[in-house]
Amino acid sequence: EDKVVQSPLSLVVHEGDTVTLNCSYEVTNFRSLLWYKQEKKAPTFLFMLTSSGIEKKSGRLSSILDKKELSSILNITATQTGDSAIYLCAVGKGNKLVFGAGTILRVKS
Amino acid sequence: EPEVTQTPSHQVTQMGQEVILRCVPISNHLYFYWYRQILGQKVEFLVSFYNNEISEKSEIFDDQFSVERPDGSNFTLKIRSTKLEDSAMYFCASSPQGPRGEKLFFGSGTQLSVL
Repeated sequence: EDKVVQSPLSLVVHEGDTVTLNCSYEVTNFRSLLWYKQEKKAPTFLFMLTSSGIEKKSGRLSSILDKKELSSILNITATQTGDSAIYLCAVGKGNKLVFGAGTILRVKS
Repeated sequence: EPEVTQTPSHQVTQMGQEVILRCVPISNHLYFYWYRQILGQKVEFLVSFYNNEISEKSEIFDDQFSVERPDGSNFTLKIRSTKLEDSAMYFCASSPQGPRGEKLFFGSGTQLSVL
């Protein structure tokens, strides 16, 4: 059975802190790994990773995939209250995405 | 920025009733999906749709479920006889490139409550 496991389940930090969110997977026919941010309702796309060791960056967010370790991390530097959300990791397989349970991040001012 | 729109945002129905959830994908997208999220649980894949046919479906997507693209803009999910366990947030998503492109654009969801 395919598994996508995220850790920690939840995290509370103060503004300005740096956080690292983890995602590990056991998915047959892995194609890609994606990170989404879910605030209120619709998940919004952050990154898609297909190649190991290549960091993707967008502002204060960055992510990297390690295919050998079957894992990925999402880093957020200089966190802001607007970063408070659920961060979802998903693995692309066939015609679908297999999601993890998410990490709930709360950034306190 | 173009977005996926879903209607209604909330739907309350009695067990055994039929519901139709509606979605308008982004106009130049070709691949369409339904996912659902039961409260407190993971987002789960239901079905993918391309070229007017189902390309993949999950075990959840049984005979009670069907999808349709009745015209050039709408994409619907029908649940024929709702059960209590169908209560969930249902997300529609679309993609311009399908599996190779991966980047799915999600709608804001329809919260379905079955009483």
